[in-house]
Amino acid sequence: DAGVIQSPRHEVTEMGQEVTLRCKPISGHNSLFWYRQTMMRGLELLIYFNNNVPIDDSGMPEDRFSAKMPNASFSTLKIQPSEPRDSAVYFCASSLGAGVWELFFGEGSRLTVL
Amino acid sequence: AQKVTQAQTEISVVEKEDVTLDCVYETRDTTYYLFWYKQPPSGELVFLIRRNSFDEQNEISGRYSWNFQKSTSSFNFTITASQVVDSAVYFCALSPTGANNLFFGTGTRLTVIP
Repeated sequence: DAGVIQSPRHEVTEMGQEVTLRCKPISGHNSLFWYRQTMMRGLELLIYFNNNVPIDDSGMPEDRFSAKMPNASFSTLKIQPSEPRDSAVYFCASSLGAGVWELFFGEGSRLTVL
Repeated sequence: AQKVTQAQTEISVVEKEDVTLDCVYETRDTTYYLFWYKQPPSGELVFLIRRNSFDEQNEISGRYSWNFQKSTSSFNFTITASQVVDSAVYFCALSPTGANNLFFGTGTRLTVIP
């Protein structure tokens, strides 16, 4: 069975550019999470969707970040404009049902902003 | 506020040794869940275990065992007869019941030397 699929796996971009990260959750899962991992701050929740609806976006750093889930099989995390401090590994995770009962993570998208 | 402390940043053991990874948590919630996740070199986080705060029974799964002690707010993880494939970063996490977030510790990097 396919797990959570994220793309791109690696992205290098210059400051000011727009970055779009993509996620395909496991089929049948109705909760989706975006996490960010950095050395300084560890793993942080950015946003949580349930049944395609954003439930908790309190972790989104600022207005430069936006996330969408247009349907049950696709989500995007966009950063515009990107800054060097956005460099991190961004993880998408999905779960069956609501909440964090058992999260299945993708392999992450490593973003480097120069 | 929730806090998870993994005081061991890095541990190295020789194959076949037993190793215990420590996890201490802080929460004001009376009910919560505790988790362990494994992050192998491929990057994704893999769910290992979830424990309800009401259930202090120790759990064993093959070479893995977990010791939950509410009195010391600890949820330690022991790998018996370690193998090279156990080399990874291990994260302890906490989620208050009904919450939509996992509060992760900073992780312990385990290296098993052949």
